[in-house]
Amino acid sequence: DGGITQSPKYLFRKEGQNVTLSCEQNLNHDAMYWYRQDPGQGLRLIYYSQIVNDFQKGDIAEGYSVSREKKESFPLTVTSAQKNPTAFYLCASSIDTGTDTQYFGPGTRLTVL
Amino acid sequence: GDSVTQMEGPVTLSEEACLTINCTYTATGYPSLFWYVQYPGEGLQLLLKATKADDKGSNKGFEATYRKETTSFHLEKGSVQVSDSAVYFCALRTVTGANSKLTFGKGITLSVRP
Repeated sequence: DGGITQSPKYLFRKEGQNVTLSCEQNLNHDAMYWYRQDPGQGLRLIYYSQIVNDFQKGDIAEGYSVSREKKESFPLTVTSAQKNPTAFYLCASSIDTGTDTQYFGPGTRLTVL
Repeated sequence: GDSVTQMEGPVTLSEEACLTINCTYTATGYPSLFWYVQYPGEGLQLLLKATKADDKGSNKGFEATYRKETTSFHLEKGSVQVSDSAVYFCALRTVTGANSKLTFGKGITLSVRP
């Protein structure tokens, strides 16, 4: 089955610690994205990547970092500089950044204690 | 900049009731329009889309028509089911050069009672 996997589903961390969220896709998509979802708000774009070894900041990149060393993988690190990291994080992919449809993973809920 | 405005929620309906969820947008150019659905504890799934004016997207009994004159893309269903309970997001996609960007509305929670 092709799709996007995110792990873990729930993640707890202490304040001040960096944490990395995993996103893997086997759809052979070039483009991948990270969004943040907060209650009562739409999704906001954190980072996106058009192709391996390339990535661009989205609307709310401060306090986050990413890497794209492999086509299938686009991990997101939430650093201690992110002032309000508790949120639901969604990864998505599309054939390329010019394509209409993005496919979403199941999400990771991060809670910082 | 681009923006999507959805009606305030939540919305609670009885099974078999008629549903309309309003969505209006502001964008430069000619965006594509989408409705995504998020079931409890899951990621988003594309429900339907329309890429140009007067196009109608449809899926699973849901419909939405791209109205350029009113900049709207309202979601409708004639008879909702309990299984339709979810959060619904309206979104638009604009293209700048080789890149595209999805802009989402805040989402609205629909609860359907048996």
